[in-house]
Amino acid sequence: GDSVTQMEGPVTLSEEACLTINCTYTATGYPSLFWYVQYPGEGLQLLLKATKADDKGSNKGFEATYRKETTSFHLEKGSVQVSDSAVYFCALKTGTASKLTFGTGTRLQVTL
Amino acid sequence: DGGITQSPKYLFRKEGQNVTLSCEQNLNHDAMYWYRQDPGQGLRLIYYSQIVNDFQKGDIAEGYSVSREKKESFPLTVTSAQKNPTAFYLCASTPGTGNTGELFFGEGSRLTVL
Repeated sequence: GDSVTQMEGPVTLSEEACLTINCTYTATGYPSLFWYVQYPGEGLQLLLKATKADDKGSNKGFEATYRKETTSFHLEKGSVQVSDSAVYFCALKTGTASKLTFGTGTRLQVTL
Repeated sequence: DGGITQSPKYLFRKEGQNVTLSCEQNLNHDAMYWYRQDPGQGLRLIYYSQIVNDFQKGDIAEGYSVSREKKESFPLTVTSAQKNPTAFYLCASTPGTGNTGELFFGEGSRLTVL
């Protein structure tokens, strides 16, 4: 079945440091890929997405590229802020079904 | 403001009791979902509904029940048959059948069984 594997956290960075959160997937067919973010005490919200190979999703300074050859969708940001502290979830969707498969989440903590 | 409202935010239950979590949306979305979130396990799908009066089991439906009598409402009942109900429950919705994969989430309900 479909699955998503994320790097374990927590990831602790100083403000303005570079961020990479790894995500790899296993799926039948050609999935769409997503990054969701969960700020403390809130539900998840979509951060960015990519629907086909080599697409790059971007939002709020974050970006991720859909790499079919390595089945990866790593999340990157060049300079993190304290306000980026949250849990980040990688997810995929295959076919026309409305179900998403989520990874386990990676907690990011950014300090001054 | 449009959005998804879950209530209650915190709920305590004694073993053997059923409890119902509310989820209401005013986004005019067709599809609604219930996910369970446990530490280290990410989100797992419990039930989803793409239209009124119809719903499908997700990956972990045992011990849960839902109804979809109105487009804007999708309550989840955690029954006494659920062996480990303590968790954070998230409701979500999406327009159409959810083909875009973009889910809109509520703020969640945390259930603790005493």
